[in-house]
Amino acid sequence: DIQMTQSPSSLSAFVGDRVTITCRASQTIFTYLNWYQQKPGKAPKLLIYAASSLQSGVPSRFSGSGSGTDFTLTISSLQPEDFATYYCQQSYSSPPVTFGGGTKVEI
Amino acid sequence: QVQLVQSGAEVKKPGASVKVSCKASGYTFTDYYLYWVRQAPGQGLEWMGRINPNSGDTNFPQKFQGRVTMTRDTSINTAYMALSSLTSDDTAVYYCARVRAAIVDFWGQGTLVTVSS
Repeated sequence: DIQMTQSPSSLSAFVGDRVTITCRASQTIFTYLNWYQQKPGKAPKLLIYAASSLQSGVPSRFSGSGSGTDFTLTISSLQPEDFATYYCQQSYSSPPVTFGGGTKVEI
Repeated sequence: QVQLVQSGAEVKKPGASVKVSCKASGYTFTDYYLYWVRQAPGQGLEWMGRINPNSGDTNFPQKFQGRVTMTRDTSINTAYMALSSLTSDDTAVYYCARVRAAIVDFWGQGTLVTVSS
């Protein structure tokens, strides 16, 4: 099974900061990498798919990059509504489906 | 618009079983796989398996083999996930989610299952 490792597990930031979250796969997954945002008490929401494609309706301050085993999610200017937990997920080899452990972005 | 509406919260005793439903609307039910994903309190996302609503075929990770059952009723656009032999470790929010090419594009609202004696 492909293992997904996110870092950091949590971070503190201010409104307006540029935030970068990384995700590493245990083997190459090309660009089959998706990012989700989850707010407390809510279901996750798809942000980025295929490593860099922005899901419809997602603000352009979110961007994704990477290929192979190393990926990043960047929030160019953190907004109050962006404080949440972010998960990566590989869609190259499934089943099984594997998610990263999550990165909590807090003030 | 696409919606996945799940059944309400459940409280079960250890050793019991639970069955969660997921009613789909706003798209052709049989055109997309559904995943079931759970999240224990304060923890990350754990994939429990998938069902092809068209054929009824299912896949589960080794961890849940023999304990989870996924079914669907195409006449009412509803999928079901049943989990047996519950322990306190199964206390979690259970989500159904629509999938396209292994990308989850829509999620249900979640169903809290609490296992407690």
